[in-house]
Amino acid sequence: QVQLVQSGAEVKKPGASVKVSCKASGYTFTGYYMHWVRQAPGQGLEWMGWINPNSGGTNYAQKFQGRVTMTRDTSISTAYMELSRLRSDDTAVYYCARDVTLVWFGEPGVFDYWGQGTLVTVSS
Amino acid sequence: EIVLTQSPATLSLSPGERATLSCGASQSVSSSYLAWYQQKPGLAPRLLIYDASSRATGIPDRFSGSGSGTDFTLTISRLEPEDFAVYYCQQYGSSVLMYTFGQGTKLEIK
Repeated sequence: QVQLVQSGAEVKKPGASVKVSCKASGYTFTGYYMHWVRQAPGQGLEWMGWINPNSGGTNYAQKFQGRVTMTRDTSISTAYMELSRLRSDDTAVYYCARDVTLVWFGEPGVFDYWGQGTLVTVSS
Repeated sequence: EIVLTQSPATLSLSPGERATLSCGASQSVSSSYLAWYQQKPGLAPRLLIYDASSRATGIPDRFSGSGSGTDFTLTISRLEPEDFAVYYCQQYGSSVLMYTFGQGTKLEIK
């Protein structure tokens, strides 16, 4: 069965960087886009971007351009999201989410499997 | 960027009743690329509906989606206790490959 297991909670100071991992199992990791979505406490969902695990190509939401980097390690079926220059309003649960679309067949679509979420707290 | 506005913000109903949730887009959503997700406290969202009206795998048929262009609806025909949650609409697959969510509708027990 498809599983996405994320790394544990992080506490960071303002200005620092955080790198969250998402280990995939139960399917061909390089076959499906992977998205990152965050949710601030008590707030809604915010899409951050996606990575094509096959090519390494990325597409970031404009809001995060210049601060976010999405990478992958195909040898261990793991996607990463690094967010730099952290601010207090970056405090949120960060999710990885697999896309339903095979990377060879078209543009990314909806998100059918999600990780359990990683809480990142930014506080001085 | 397409902005999605969900209404109402909170919907109070009883089990067995019919729920109608709305999602309005600031511009037409191409090819009806509109999805609905359900989220319960402390859990990740779950995909319910995609392409405006197609149910995801394993989703009960009491959930249905409709709409096109700028107006979309999620209907739960007869509420079960486990349906009380927050629901988000999402647009995807636009020409600029951006994905946006609505602000959510909280469906609570009356």
